[in-house]
Amino acid sequence: AQKVTQAQTEISVVEKEDVTLDCVYETRDTTYYLFWYKQPPSGELVFLIRRNSFDEQNEISGRYSWNFQKSTSSFNFTITASQVVDSAVYFCALSEAQLDYKLSFGAGTTVTVRA
Amino acid sequence: DTEVTQTPKHLVMGMTNKKSLKCEQHMGHRAMYWYKQKAKKPPELMFVYSYEKLSINESVPSRFSPECPNSSLLNLHLHALQPEDSALYLCASSQDKPSSTDTQYFGPGTRLTVL
Repeated sequence: AQKVTQAQTEISVVEKEDVTLDCVYETRDTTYYLFWYKQPPSGELVFLIRRNSFDEQNEISGRYSWNFQKSTSSFNFTITASQVVDSAVYFCALSEAQLDYKLSFGAGTTVTVRA
Repeated sequence: DTEVTQTPKHLVMGMTNKKSLKCEQHMGHRAMYWYKQKAKKPPELMFVYSYEKLSINESVPSRFSPECPNSSLLNLHLHALQPEDSALYLCASSQDKPSSTDTQYFGPGTRLTVL
């Protein structure tokens, strides 16, 4: 069964538009961690954020913001005022005790920002 | 400094060749990982080393042989690979043994082509 679902395969926006990436997860653990990684065309997976299951506070880092809602098992990611450099594949991932804390990745969402 | 380095960046090899991928980190991390990523797919875990001992092998074929000579170095020895093994091979490290509190930091990857 898919542990992490990223329903959006591809999103294309024009520069300066906002873009929201959806992530829905499934777990029976009460303690777990959620992650977002960015993978630009160069290939490296860049860590963006880690959030634990007990901290539902939203977080903002520059143009990036995250909305964590346990009630809907979602951990969505918004890029505000997108830029061409934001073009990448974005992965949401889940780490949980019942799977020895291995990262369960979603399928990824490809974001293309056009100038 | 969250840097994981990988060499070579690109590798082309024949099915009868023997080659090695190298990964290095100087963050004092004690867990290191190998992932395989096919095009348009999320990374798949292959091996985990914790304190220089192999702790997880995700049923990877024996033509892939990992080695952890010391705490900052991780190798992946390749022998008699198949064309379907062509992929991006990513190395990652985390501070301690895999746990929910750990963040994995990834290297830039080695793009492997098997002819």
